[in-house]
Amino acid sequence: NAGVTQTPKFQVLKTGQSMTLQCAQDMNHNSMYWYRQDPGMGLRLIYYSASEGTTDKGEVPNGYNVSRLNKREFSLRLESAAPSQTSVYFCASSEGSRPNYGYTFGSGTRLTVV
Amino acid sequence: KQEVTQIPAALSVPEGENLVLNCSFTDSAIYNLQWFRQDPGKGLTSLLLIQSSQREQTSGRLNASLDKSSGRSTLYIAASQPGDSATYLCAAQGGSEKLVFGKGTKLTVNP
Repeated sequence: NAGVTQTPKFQVLKTGQSMTLQCAQDMNHNSMYWYRQDPGMGLRLIYYSASEGTTDKGEVPNGYNVSRLNKREFSLRLESAAPSQTSVYFCASSEGSRPNYGYTFGSGTRLTVV
Repeated sequence: KQEVTQIPAALSVPEGENLVLNCSFTDSAIYNLQWFRQDPGKGLTSLLLIQSSQREQTSGRLNASLDKSSGRSTLYIAASQPGDSATYLCAAQGGSEKLVFGKGTKLTVNP
C-alpha cells in the first residue's frame, strides 16, 4: 500500500548511543517532516524538508540531525541519545510545502533511551 | 506563535449519541485546519481538511466547521459507534506552512 514507511518500529538505546530513524514515502511528495509525540505535549515538529536537498529546523531540533537523501527518503539521526529523547517519533509527508495539502503519517517509531 | 487547544481532553459517551469536539487557535491567519484520528499505538489518519475560505467539510458521519474570526473549529460526529473510540487531533496550518497540533481529545464510545 502506498504511504509512509518508518523503521524501526521499536528501539531501546542506552544513553550516549547513536541511531538513525528511517522514513520513506512512495507518493512522490515534495515535503517531509519529523515529529515527536510526548504525553501531555502533543506533537511537536523536529525538522522538515520542503523539497529534496533542503532541510529546516522545527520547534524542537536540539539533539537531532536530518538528511533528505532523495525525494523518497528523510532520515532522523540521534548522535548521542539522552533519556529526554524517549518518545514516539512520526514521519509525515505532503505533496508540497504550500498550504492546503493534506499530510500522510507513518505508523511511528517508539524509542526508549535508558 | 500559534497555539492550538482542544477541549475536553477526554470524553466518554454512550453509543448512538451525537457529539462535538472543540478546537481553538490563537492566530486566525491560517491556511487551513485539519482533523486527524489516532488509534492507540498507531499513526495519525487524516479525517478532514478545511481551507480558510471554507466554512465546513463533511465526510460520512463527520462534519467539521471552521470560524476563523473566532479562532474555533468543531468536529461533529453523528450517531457515534464504539469503533469511533480514538484520540482526535486538530492542527492549524498557518503562515509558516507547518502544522501546529493540539494535544487531542480522547473519545470513548461505550456499547
